[in-house]
Amino acid sequence: DTGVSQNPRHKITKRGQNVTFRCDPISEHNRLYWYRQTLGQGPEFLTYFQNEAQLEKSRLLSDRFSAERPKGSFSTLEIQRTEQGDSAMYLCASSSGLAEFFGPGTRLTVL
Amino acid sequence: DQQVKQNSPSLSVQEGRISILNCDYTNSMFDYFLWYKKYPAEGPTFLISISSIKDKNEDGRFTVFLNKSAKHLSLHIVPSQPGDSAVYFCAASSTGANNLFFGTGTRLTVIP
Repeated sequence: DTGVSQNPRHKITKRGQNVTFRCDPISEHNRLYWYRQTLGQGPEFLTYFQNEAQLEKSRLLSDRFSAERPKGSFSTLEIQRTEQGDSAMYLCASSSGLAEFFGPGTRLTVL
Repeated sequence: DQQVKQNSPSLSVQEGRISILNCDYTNSMFDYFLWYKKYPAEGPTFLISISSIKDKNEDGRFTVFLNKSAKHLSLHIVPSQPGDSAVYFCAASSTGANNLFFGTGTRLTVIP
């Protein structure tokens, strides 16, 4: 399977804990995106990488959120001191052109 | 501020008939539009796209129409099949932008 993969698929954590998600993009794609989706909404942009450089961050990405893409391949999204409002589906996408291709997402539940 | 709007949260269509999903946008800088399909517990799957230099793009049973003056696009599925039942998202971007703006989605149910 050469699509975008994300791990874990599900994460349940207690408020205040830190969580980290991983995304493996399609190998030849140099662009990588993180989105967040809550119930009844479309995906909302969080951040964008071109190769290893983080070129854009949404105002949705508070200082508790950090994303990295070392070596321009896989990416991680870390949320520190999780809050109940962080409960959502976190989607990763990659592209080499205009269309973005999404992974299956990581569903985060903060208790 | 929702720049991409899908005003119909749901749509039901008989198998074999046409499904028409609508999308409106407010940002006149948008010049590239996409439709994604999403099944439960999966990420959105890219379906079809259209550039603002065109007014129609067709791919098999799927056709996207763009009306720039009305800032409106639609996705036609003909004939509709039960496997088309999913949530459909409209998305838009502009040249130089680094992300897509999504609508809230329309849940399509195709009744056998």
